[in-house]
Amino acid sequence: DQQVKQNSPSLSVQEGRISILNCDYTNSMFDYFLWYKKYPAEGPTFLISISSIKDKNEDGRFTVFLNKSAKHLSLHIVPSQPGDSAVYFCAASNSNSGYALNFGKGTSLLVTP
Amino acid sequence: EAGVVQSPRYKIIEKKQPVAFWCNPISGHNTLYWYLQNLGQGPELLIRYENEEAVDDSQLPKDRFSAERLKGVDSTLKIQPAELGDSAVYLCASSFRGGYNEQFFGPGTRLTVL
Repeated sequence: DQQVKQNSPSLSVQEGRISILNCDYTNSMFDYFLWYKKYPAEGPTFLISISSIKDKNEDGRFTVFLNKSAKHLSLHIVPSQPGDSAVYFCAASNSNSGYALNFGKGTSLLVTP
Repeated sequence: EAGVVQSPRYKIIEKKQPVAFWCNPISGHNTLYWYLQNLGQGPELLIRYENEEAVDDSQLPKDRFSAERLKGVDSTLKIQPAELGDSAVYLCASSFRGGYNEQFFGPGTRLTVL
């Protein structure tokens, strides 16, 4: 039972443009959300997170938006750079489950020059 | 600071053979996680340790999988006997005191069972 869903397996964006990666979740108990970035043959690396008490968190070129009523979050990358090409995983957790991360299947982002 | 270290990076074995993976977390991180990542999927938690104690092993297939974290530092994940369906990447992660703390992942061990 996939509680975190990333419905777009891949996304291609031109350099300098905005990349928008989407994520939906089904468990209303989730109260903390994270985005991880993964390059081939490496482990996922933390990118940005957001608590359910917020609806936006920004870190440089990366912004995460949370819409709790829609159970939806998105990651915006502006401007996109070729080095951003990677697989992006959305993850969610809640204190009742010991903060275990529930991951989506990932979205492969390709930023073209 | 040194990251999470895992070995081996790759392992190829025949079915029914045993296999073990080793993880050394970031110094000072008392929470350690083992995840399984199948091709085209996100990581799935197998077991979580707080120091030496396995506090969440509900997703660990205990008939063939075992794990230990002696002295609350390094950890070993074992499969015995391995099955074809165990072919996957096994990821180790650590964090400082669990909770809403960032989990740092190692590079993973890619297991191929023939």
